[in-house]
Amino acid sequence: QSALTQPASVSGSPGQSITISCTGTSSDVGDYNYVSWYQQHPGKAPKLMIYDVSSRPSGISSRFSGSKSGNTASLTISGLQAEDAADYYCCSYTTSTTPPVVFGGGTKLTVL
Amino acid sequence: EVQLVQSGAEVKKPGEPLKISCKGSGYFFNSYWIGWVRQMPGKGLEWMGTIYPGDSDTKYRPSFQGHVTISVDKSINTAYLQWSSLKASDTAMYYCAKLGSYLPFSWGQGTLVTVSS
Repeated sequence: QSALTQPASVSGSPGQSITISCTGTSSDVGDYNYVSWYQQHPGKAPKLMIYDVSSRPSGISSRFSGSKSGNTASLTISGLQAEDAADYYCCSYTTSTTPPVVFGGGTKLTVL
Repeated sequence: EVQLVQSGAEVKKPGEPLKISCKGSGYFFNSYWIGWVRQMPGKGLEWMGTIYPGDSDTKYRPSFQGHVTISVDKSINTAYLQWSSLKASDTAMYYCAKLGSYLPFSWGQGTLVTVSS
């Protein structure tokens, strides 16, 4: 059982927006602004899309955005494109484990 | 440009030892934690442990403690993950990652480990 809870799957049509949630506790998402999101295509390494809740690394499209409210972080992808179809994982700093890093279980995004 | 280059795929038998590597470049290797992540076939990401190259401070997730060893050779900017005796259940893709803001920032390409008799 993953410490951060994500929906198993989400879907959307090209051009639409989708949001993936990541629910934790006050030991991780709720109390710290260290939340990252990763995109993973089949057979590929994870790729950082969002860090520190809402910051985008250089080269990441502005269609990807992150936010947080209480114990839940969210990744929003606007203007869905076929190449956005992938697995997405959230990750947070945590005080409840050692080392202080915890992943979500992952969400499979299908672009219809 | 930050790069983490991992060693190639391995096929081993149960009980055999193995050491895989992760070589960092494009940044000051000694000053950033390196983490190791397991991804079993068709499953999600699992944090295994971290090491700080500057002083070799190492932290393991309890479920991996005692079964793997994380080490580093800072003279060649390389971190290692090793097993003394592999099990079939160790079959997985293993990723190294450079940490930033406590979390993975840059990732290696992965090393596939297959353990089968």
